[in-house]
Amino acid sequence: GDSVTQMEGPVTLSEEAFLTINCTYTATGYPSLFWYVQYPGEGLQLLLKATKADDKGSNKGFEATYRKETTSFHLEKGSVQVSDSAVYFCALRATGANSKLTFGKGITLSVRP
Amino acid sequence: DAGVTQSPTHLIKTRGQHVTLRCSPISGHKSVSWYQQVLGQGPQFIFQYYEKEERGRGNFPDRFSARQFPNYSSELNVNALLLGDSALYLCASSLSGADYYEQYFGPGTRLTVT
Repeated sequence: GDSVTQMEGPVTLSEEAFLTINCTYTATGYPSLFWYVQYPGEGLQLLLKATKADDKGSNKGFEATYRKETTSFHLEKGSVQVSDSAVYFCALRATGANSKLTFGKGITLSVRP
Repeated sequence: DAGVTQSPTHLIKTRGQHVTLRCSPISGHKSVSWYQQVLGQGPQFIFQYYEKEERGRGNFPDRFSARQFPNYSSELNVNALLLGDSALYLCASSLSGADYYEQYFGPGTRLTVT
């Protein structure tokens, strides 16, 4: 079945450091790929998405490129801020009749001033 | 516009009891999905409903059931609660049941089973 694997966490960075969070997936066909963010005490928010190979999703300085050859969708940001501290989830949605999302385990990012 | 709302925010139940969680989708959205998020894990898909019909079901036991009402709100019911049912239950709504519409998540209901 479909699955998403995220790198182990947590991750602690200093403000303005470069961020990479790895995500790989297993799925049949051509899934859509997503990064969701969960701030403390809040629900999930869509951060960015890509719906086909080589697409780059971007939002709030975060970027991720859909790499079908490596089945990856790594999240990057050039300069993190304290306000980026949150839990980040990689997810996929297979093509089909419903909108089921398959999530990775999530990774906690803490950014120090 | 109001986002997805869920009630209650928190609740505590005892093993063997039954619980009902409620979700109101964003106005105009006709599809509701339910997810279970156990502490330290990513959300797991439980159900999707569209136009009052079940469109998808995850790998959960029959103790879990749901329904959608004519106003597109939804209830998730869990019978014979187990300790392992303790989790954050998330509801997400989207315009329709098709796979290309974005899902918007509510804040969740935190269920603790003792």
